[in-house]
Amino acid sequence: QSVLTQPPSVSAAPGQKVTISCSGSSSNIGTNYVSWYQHLPATAPKLLIYENYRRPSGIPDRFSGSMSGTSATLGITGLQTGDEADYYCGTWDNRLRVWVFGGGTKVTVL
Amino acid sequence: EVQLVESGGGLVQPGGSLRLSCAASGFSFSGFWMTWVRQAPGKGLEWVANIKQGGSEENYLDSVKGRFTISRDNAKKSLYLQMDSLRAEDTAVYYCATNIIGNLCMDVWGQGTTVTVSS
Repeated sequence: QSVLTQPPSVSAAPGQKVTISCSGSSSNIGTNYVSWYQHLPATAPKLLIYENYRRPSGIPDRFSGSMSGTSATLGITGLQTGDEADYYCGTWDNRLRVWVFGGGTKVTVL
Repeated sequence: EVQLVESGGGLVQPGGSLRLSCAASGFSFSGFWMTWVRQAPGKGLEWVANIKQGGSEENYLDSVKGRFTISRDNAKKSLYLQMDSLRAEDTAVYYCATNIIGNLCMDVWGQGTTVTVSS
C-alpha cells in the first residue's frame, strides 16, 4: 500500500486529455513539492514535472501539474501513442523521513 | 553531458552481498544529494536511500535499514550502495538519481543495474 494513492490506470483516445491524481497527506504533499515521472519499460524514469508545476527543458506543455491541499494532479493533453507509459508522483514525507512514490498509473492510448 | 552510470549488479544467493556503484559525470557531483531507487519485477518505483552532499546525512527505506549502506566518494564522483543480507524481495533494477534542476525531485537518472537474489 503506497503512501501516495494513484489510480492504477487511465485511458483515452489519441488527441484527448487524461488526468492522473495523486493523493497524500499533510506530512508529504501538503508540505513538500511534488514531482511526476514517466517510466517506459527498460528505460530510466524521466522527470516530467517538478516543484508541483514546473516543466524541465524539453518537456512539452502538453504535460502539466497542479496542486490542491494534499492532492496533486498530472494532466496530459493531446494524447499520443508515445505517451503510453507508467506515471508516478513522488515527494518527501516529513513524518516517515523517506521519499515516497505513488503506486503508479498506466496510461493507455485507445 | 550530465550522466550517471550504474554497475555492480548481478546474481547473488539469499544472504549474500553486493556493492553497486554509480559513476557521475558532467556536473558538480559534490554539490547534490544522491539517491538510489529500485523497481522490482512487475512492481512500481521504490525509493531505497539517499545521501547528503558531504555524506553527513543518510536516509533509508525501512525494509533495507541495517542491511544496506549508501555512501559516496566526492573525489571519485561516485555513489555506492553496499547491500548485505540480501533477500529475494531485493530483486530489482536499481537506479541512481540526483536532483540538479530543483528541489525535491530526481531529474538525472542512470540506466539501471539489475540485481537478482536467488538460489
